[in-house]
Amino acid sequence: DAGVIQSPRHEVTEMGQEVTLRCKPISGHDYLFWYRQTMMRGLELLIYFNNNVPIDDSGMPEDRFSAKMPNASFSTLKIQPSEPRDSAVYFCASSLDYRTGPGGYTFGSGTRLTVV
Amino acid sequence: GNSVTQMEGPVTLSEEAFLTINCTYTATGYPSLFWYVQYPGEGLQLLLKATKADDKGSNKGFEATYRKETTSFHLEKGSVQVSDSAVYFCALSSGGNNRLAFGKGNQVVVIP
Repeated sequence: DAGVIQSPRHEVTEMGQEVTLRCKPISGHDYLFWYRQTMMRGLELLIYFNNNVPIDDSGMPEDRFSAKMPNASFSTLKIQPSEPRDSAVYFCASSLDYRTGPGGYTFGSGTRLTVV
Repeated sequence: GNSVTQMEGPVTLSEEAFLTINCTYTATGYPSLFWYVQYPGEGLQLLLKATKADDKGSNKGFEATYRKETTSFHLEKGSVQVSDSAVYFCALSSGGNNRLAFGKGNQVVVIP
């Protein structure tokens, strides 16, 4: 398996522009997570899905952020409009259901977003 | 709620030194405990895990023992290498779901 695949690896955009981050989880994994990592706040869970359904989006900073999972093999995280304070590394992770899997996450390599 | 506390600040040490990174937790029920490692420019990777009290997780020379009495899961390695330079995260899952609670991470720098 190729692991969790995120694109793009790097994104530089101007303030006010729309940004879309993409994630392909590992085939067969039931859960998908979006995290944001910054020096100041560390790893923050933004939202997670179970079987393509959003379960908890309480970590999404504000209405400018939205996430979708139209099918089991694809998810997007969209920021519109983007702001400089959104600059961070965004990680996607997937896992099996805790009742059947090893209980760990597999992370993608992340998307480094810079908003200027 | 569930939470993980890691020692403050980066850790700098010489090659072949002994490494300890402290991790304590607060959780309901009987959590599973994990250590993840993040090498520069990469995502987090599962390093080791333990699912019940007194279990010892081990991988790549690293070890951690699940201590229920002290609610701890300290990471140790007897002789570090430059290639061990990375950020290490302690994490737990509990409550019958797949959510992981992460600590803030510790930067480890190994000097030749």
